[in-house]
Amino acid sequence: GQQLNQSPQSMFIQEGEDVSMNCTSSSIFNTWLWYKQDPGEGPVLLIALYKAGELTSNGRLTAQFGITRKDSFLNISASIPSDVGIYFCAGTFDTGNQFYFGTGTSLTVIP
Amino acid sequence: DAGVTQSPTHLIKTRGQHVTLRCSPISGHKSVSWYQQVLGQGPQFIFQYYEKEERGRGNFPDRFSARQFPNYSSELNVNALLLGDSALYLCASSWRRVTDTQYFGPGTRLTVL
Repeated sequence: GQQLNQSPQSMFIQEGEDVSMNCTSSSIFNTWLWYKQDPGEGPVLLIALYKAGELTSNGRLTAQFGITRKDSFLNISASIPSDVGIYFCAGTFDTGNQFYFGTGTSLTVIP
Repeated sequence: DAGVTQSPTHLIKTRGQHVTLRCSPISGHKSVSWYQQVLGQGPQFIFQYYEKEERGRGNFPDRFSARQFPNYSSELNVNALLLGDSALYLCASSWRRVTDTQYFGPGTRLTVL
């Protein structure tokens, strides 16, 4: 199956700092999704990307669809305590029958 | 509008038993996908259904089966439960194609003793 590698695996940051994480794939994808998951709950969609080079924002979150179509990036500006959670990327290609998920980035925000 | 709903929230079973998990998609969505998420890992794809037909299957044994009903709700069945089946089972709905944006339900936490 497809391998999606997320980095970093975990982050410990001070409140107010900016955060950057990325996701790389062994294959070319046509859609990238970013989710946030709190413990014991389902993933919540943050941002969806459909076009290479696309840059999309959702409040303090900004995600980009890499121009190689094998990677995507998520940035969080001015982090706050409620940003704590695990962030997953997911990707697929048009002829695919599933989304492939990354290994997750665990974010801890220290007040 | 209600989001994706799943039932039950939690379930405890013993090895060898059978379990049925249920999912109702977002109103207007016709596609349902099932995922298994083991603690510390990302969701792993199990099945995808669209218009009551199986459109995709992940690398899971035949003990796992699913179906979709005319109202687009879905059931996931797991037979002969193993300890390793303990996980959070997630249902995701999308409008039509499997590659349309997926929205997840809260999940069902299955514990096999």
